[in-house]
Amino acid sequence: DAGVTQSPTHLIKTRGQQVTLRCSPKSGHDTVSWYQQALGQGPQFIFQYYEEEERQRGNFPDRFSGHQFPNYSSELNVNALLLGDSALYLCASSPHTDTQYFGPGTRLTVL
Amino acid sequence: GESVGLHLPTLSVQEGDNSIINCAYSNSASDYFIWYKQESGKGPQFIIDIRSNMDKRQGQRVTVLLNKTVKHLSLQIAATQPGDSAVYFCAENTGSGGGADGLTFGKGTHLIIQP
Repeated sequence: DAGVTQSPTHLIKTRGQQVTLRCSPKSGHDTVSWYQQALGQGPQFIFQYYEEEERQRGNFPDRFSGHQFPNYSSELNVNALLLGDSALYLCASSPHTDTQYFGPGTRLTVL
Repeated sequence: GESVGLHLPTLSVQEGDNSIINCAYSNSASDYFIWYKQESGKGPQFIIDIRSNMDKRQGQRVTVLLNKTVKHLSLQIAATQPGDSAVYFCAENTGSGGGADGLTFGKGTHLIIQP
């Protein structure tokens, strides 16, 4: 049984560009959450998707948006990239109202 | 500021000894707590969780203690092994959705196992 998978593994972009990150949840999980982890810090909650809708949102600007598909997979989009957006982006999946399990993350570098 | 924090950024223990990692939280409404282990270059790995109606929960070689009076959480690892070397995060959840709500993480404690 595959766990949470994310793609790509690494990504390099320049300021002002847009990026899309992808996540496939663990089998049987219908809820996907996204987190941003800066170097040396704990993950910070971006938003959560359930039933193809944004259910909760953390303190992130509108440049961060997402989507969940009928098969429960999800995308995170970031527009107008800033240098400060460089981080490890983590996806976590869970059965609704249960423990979250994390994927390996996507390392985004903004130059 | 952050709702969840850790007392020590780095903890060094001898292989075979027991480790205790501490965490303080400030939101008395938090009702679900989780410990994650993160190895270099990997995503956080679930270790153990505890709900606010419990004081203690045990897993394989790990025990989590929750003291709601002083808003303190600890992770005890018995007989530490080299593979336990990692950064450990506590996380809390205050939503009505239980464990699947957005989590608030602390900065983490780096556990180093000395041979």
